[in-house]
Amino acid sequence: QVQLQESGPGLVKPSETLSLTCSVSTGSISTYYWTWIRQTPGKGLEWIGNIYYSGSTNYNPSLKSRVTISVDTSKNQFSLNLTSVTAADTAVYYCARPRGGSTGQFDYWGQGTLVTVSS
Amino acid sequence: DIVLTQSPGTLSLSPGERATLSCRASQSISSSYLTWYQQKPGQAPRLLIYSTSIRATGIPDRFSGSGSGTDFTLTISRLEPEDFAVYYCQQYGPSPITFGQGTRLEIK
Repeated sequence: QVQLQESGPGLVKPSETLSLTCSVSTGSISTYYWTWIRQTPGKGLEWIGNIYYSGSTNYNPSLKSRVTISVDTSKNQFSLNLTSVTAADTAVYYCARPRGGSTGQFDYWGQGTLVTVSS
Repeated sequence: DIVLTQSPGTLSLSPGERATLSCRASQSISSSYLTWYQQKPGQAPRLLIYSTSIRATGIPDRFSGSGSGTDFTLTISRLEPEDFAVYYCQQYGPSPITFGQGTRLEIK
């Protein structure tokens, strides 16, 4: 059973950088498109982007200028950095893994972590 | 971006009844790339249906999906108490991946 666990600060100041890590237990981080998704009451579920274990990335154009997703295969972790945050970035952030061979059938999710942007 | 519009916004039904949830796309989507999730309060979404009509592992057969092109449907044949939740459709054809705004299924 694959388990994903998000970690990182729950409070970030405006204009600073939001940094989260997703730790993957059981098995290898290889072969899948590891993904970040966020959820807000106003905008609902929003795909942020993904990274293949090789390091290639895909980002949502709406966030692309501020997002970096990276992977550390030695630690079975992948990470999200979102720069220049504003209150609009306040959300529950999920890491997720799609079924093998797909980029969008998310069968494993972390529990989610609430990140609040506030001074 | 492909916009997914779900209807109704809220559906009020009783256990044992049939639920029909709609997802309409702003442009045609391959049926391979249409997915449905269930989300309960305080939980992450749970994969229900992928490729329009294939149930994910462990999903009861009262859940079924259908559709093509721009119109897709999730049907729950006989509602169980644990089925009352929010349901989202999602597409991953052209990037970016997008989700519908959700249909809340509530107990009448």
